[in-house]
Amino acid sequence: KQEVTQIPAALSVPEGENLVLNCSFTDSAIYNLQWFRQDPGKGLTSLLLIQSSQREQTSGRLNASLDKSSGRSTLYIAASQPGDSATYLCAAFYGNNRLAFGKGNQVVVIP
Amino acid sequence: NAGVTQTPKFQVLKTGQSMTLQCAQDMNHEYMSWYRQDPGMGLRLIHYSVGAGITDQGEVPNGYNVSRSTTEDFPLRLLSAAPSQTSVYFCASSYAEQGSTEAFFGQGTRLTVV
Repeated sequence: KQEVTQIPAALSVPEGENLVLNCSFTDSAIYNLQWFRQDPGKGLTSLLLIQSSQREQTSGRLNASLDKSSGRSTLYIAASQPGDSATYLCAAFYGNNRLAFGKGNQVVVIP
Repeated sequence: NAGVTQTPKFQVLKTGQSMTLQCAQDMNHEYMSWYRQDPGMGLRLIHYSVGAGITDQGEVPNGYNVSRSTTEDFPLRLLSAAPSQTSVYFCASSYAEQGSTEAFFGQGTRLTVV
């Protein structure tokens, strides 16, 4: 069974600090990885998608890396803002496009 | 494009009632799946489909049925609702082309079983 773990489960940082969110997965047979953001009571918003042939993807202040050999992905958010407060979900693609999700990193950015 | 559309957004059921959660996508994606999200448990796969006419069970399939008669639609049926099925349900569609894939999610259905 594919398992995805996200550490830390929750964190609070002062505004302006860089955020580092970690995701690890048990099976290196995953083929792609997607990071999502979820606000309380809302749906999933896709942030970044990393294909298996890539090692990282960037979008604005967000950067995500993927190391399949070590079973890890990291999401970096530069110069955090209060609007970045949300839960961040890591999802790994495995057989037949199924997704295995971590339980999320709940982030609070303090003004 | 509407993307992935789920209906209804909210639903309250009594124990023992049945209902169907609707999911439709207009992106011609082969793959569709249903997840439930519960506090402390993350999102878990209920059922998935790799194309019209083909479905399979995920991690938590008990109490749910699915069918896929068209590429666009993937309804999830609760046969006899139980309080343990109180959850937020998400439908997703995705493609797979030459090693590239991406998942798209509906806005979710918040279901309460009383």
